[in-house]
Amino acid sequence: DVKVTQSSRYLVKRTGEKVFLECVQDMDHENMFWYRQDPGLGLRLIYFSYDVKMKEKGDIPEGYSVSREKKERFSLILESASTNQTSMYLCASSWEAGYTEAFFGQGTRLTVV
Amino acid sequence: AQKVTQAQTEISVVEKEDVTLDCVYETRDTTYYLFWYKQPPSGELVFLIRRNSFDEQNEISGRYSWNFQKSTSSFNFTITASQVVDSAVYFCALSERKGSGGGADGLTFGKGTHLIIQP
Repeated sequence: DVKVTQSSRYLVKRTGEKVFLECVQDMDHENMFWYRQDPGLGLRLIYFSYDVKMKEKGDIPEGYSVSREKKERFSLILESASTNQTSMYLCASSWEAGYTEAFFGQGTRLTVV
Repeated sequence: AQKVTQAQTEISVVEKEDVTLDCVYETRDTTYYLFWYKQPPSGELVFLIRRNSFDEQNEISGRYSWNFQKSTSSFNFTITASQVVDSAVYFCALSERKGSGGGADGLTFGKGTHLIIQP
């Protein structure tokens, strides 16, 4: 089975902190994604990556950056956390983005205080 | 721009009733893919089905069935004889197939329908 693992289930950080959310997949997928999920808004794409060291902005990239140094690992970085970044963050991976299904991690619920 | 609308925010039915979750999409492409995902209370999204724009055949998998109609841009999901374990948030999603060199494409999700099955 495909496994997408996010490093933390729950995180509490202070405003202004630099925050790293880590995601690892074990199926050699080319494509990886970060979404955030908010009540009433569904899932929105923050960033995606289609190869190592390659990245593209999604719909809401402001305030975020990403890093993909190895194929299996995709990190989401909040440079200076703010309270409006309190949310559920979901990582996903897929063989061919837009064509095959994406497999999701269990999510990280981040609270910024 | 592509868009997915799930007009039903929340549906509550009694166990064993049939229930249909609606999904309407917008896209200008002729090649696209539609998906349904289930998100149980544990939080992890679970893939249910994928359908490409050239395949309008309905699909049945056990108690689940999907009705894809390009004429109305809809991809509805029906659960027959619902069970408490079906309680979850269900998401419909759309992806357009970009041309070569376009890189990866993320899914565009609807806002989800919270399905509550009461015993």
